[in-house]
Amino acid sequence: DTAVSQTPKYLVTQMGNDKSIKCEQNLGHDTMYWYKQDSKKFLKIMFSYNNKELIINETVPNRFSPKSPDKAHLNLHINSLELGDSAVYFCASSPDRDSGQPQHFGDGTRLSIL
Amino acid sequence: AQKITQTQPGMFVQEKEAVTLDCTYDTSDQSYGLFWYKQPSSGEMIFLIYQGSYDEQNATEGRYSLNFQKARKSANLVISASQLGDSAMYFCAMRELLTGFQKLVFGTGTRLLVSP
Repeated sequence: DTAVSQTPKYLVTQMGNDKSIKCEQNLGHDTMYWYKQDSKKFLKIMFSYNNKELIINETVPNRFSPKSPDKAHLNLHINSLELGDSAVYFCASSPDRDSGQPQHFGDGTRLSIL
Repeated sequence: AQKITQTQPGMFVQEKEAVTLDCTYDTSDQSYGLFWYKQPSSGEMIFLIYQGSYDEQNATEGRYSLNFQKARKSANLVISASQLGDSAMYFCAMRELLTGFQKLVFGTGTRLLVSP
């Protein structure tokens, strides 16, 4: 059974388009995250939600808007895509927002902007 | 701000040998956690091992162990009896605990290549 699942796995689109990435976790975790991995493999947190409430927003452009309809889902919508948005986006979850429990990651969504 | 440093961009090891991947960290927090993740060429992020700053014993998980030296602020990953399937990127990460929530800060990663 997949613990953290992201769709789509690959996303190829043109500059200026709007796209969404979906994430679902079936672990019963309270906290979910979005990370961006750039072309040099560096991973950086973008957002974190705890029980549908936004708790971390790491100075990400307004074009990126996360939405959490319930605590098992955290979707990422990106408006007016730019070349620099090309990256792998990872969703992750953890049992709660301040424990030492590891974060479990999805398989990533590779976004390529033409 | 916390920082994680992985000084080895790439490491080579022969199958069945042990290898150590270095990780040093910088923090002024007393309570923190250190994680290692593996990213194979297929791209997923796999949790390997965790060490809490107050844990007295070094963490072990199967062939993985964490050589935690608090005074030196290092948390090196030791992989014993390397296998071909261990070839991957390895990331060290620190749990940064802010006001009521945590986030992971990652190092730049080490690419491990295991040869037959």
